[in-house]
Amino acid sequence: DAGVIQSPRHEVTEMGQEVTLRCKPISGHNSLFWYRQTMMRGLELLIYFNNNVPIDDSGMPEDRFSAKMPNASFSTLKIQPSEPRDSAVYFCASSFYRGRYGYTFGSGTRLTVV
Amino acid sequence: AQTVTQSQPEMSVQEAETVTLSCTYDTSESNYYLFWYKQPPSRQMILVIRQEAYKQQNATENRFSVNFQKAAKSFSLKISDSQLGDTAMYFCAFMKEKDYGGSQGNLIFGKGTKLSVKP
Repeated sequence: DAGVIQSPRHEVTEMGQEVTLRCKPISGHNSLFWYRQTMMRGLELLIYFNNNVPIDDSGMPEDRFSAKMPNASFSTLKIQPSEPRDSAVYFCASSFYRGRYGYTFGSGTRLTVV
Repeated sequence: AQTVTQSQPEMSVQEAETVTLSCTYDTSESNYYLFWYKQPPSRQMILVIRQEAYKQQNATENRFSVNFQKAAKSFSLKISDSQLGDTAMYFCAFMKEKDYGGSQGNLIFGKGTKLSVKP
């Protein structure tokens, strides 16, 4: 298995533009998580899905952020419009249901909003 | 709410020596899981070791072992025979057990400890 695949690896965009981050979880994993990592706040959970259904989006900072999981093999995190304070590394992770054995993380997308 | 505290922002160790990273957590849950993740400069998050709270035996994975003290809510990571490739950020993480009919627990991370292994 290729692991959790995220794209793009780096994204530089101008303030006000729409940004879409993509994630392909490990086949057979039925939970998917989006995390954001910054120096100030560390790793924060934004949203997670079980069986493609959003369960908890309380970590999504504001309405500019949205996430979808149209099927078991694909998820997107969209920021519209983007702002400089959104600059961070965004991780996608997947796990078997209940996550007892830990999550498998993708390599992350470094987003820079200028 | 659960919290995870790593009190050592940075540590260094000589190659081949042993180092221990500290982690404490706060929870009222009785069933939960604890993890250590490694994040090297490549930024990939790699699971190092996990511990189930209801198991008294400390987990071990090759050169990595933990000292789990449930009553003290402490979960330290010991790295033996440190290698240059162990240089990374290390994150301690907590996850509560899913309650019957409830929502899944999420991984809650500490702020991390930056470990440098010196030749």
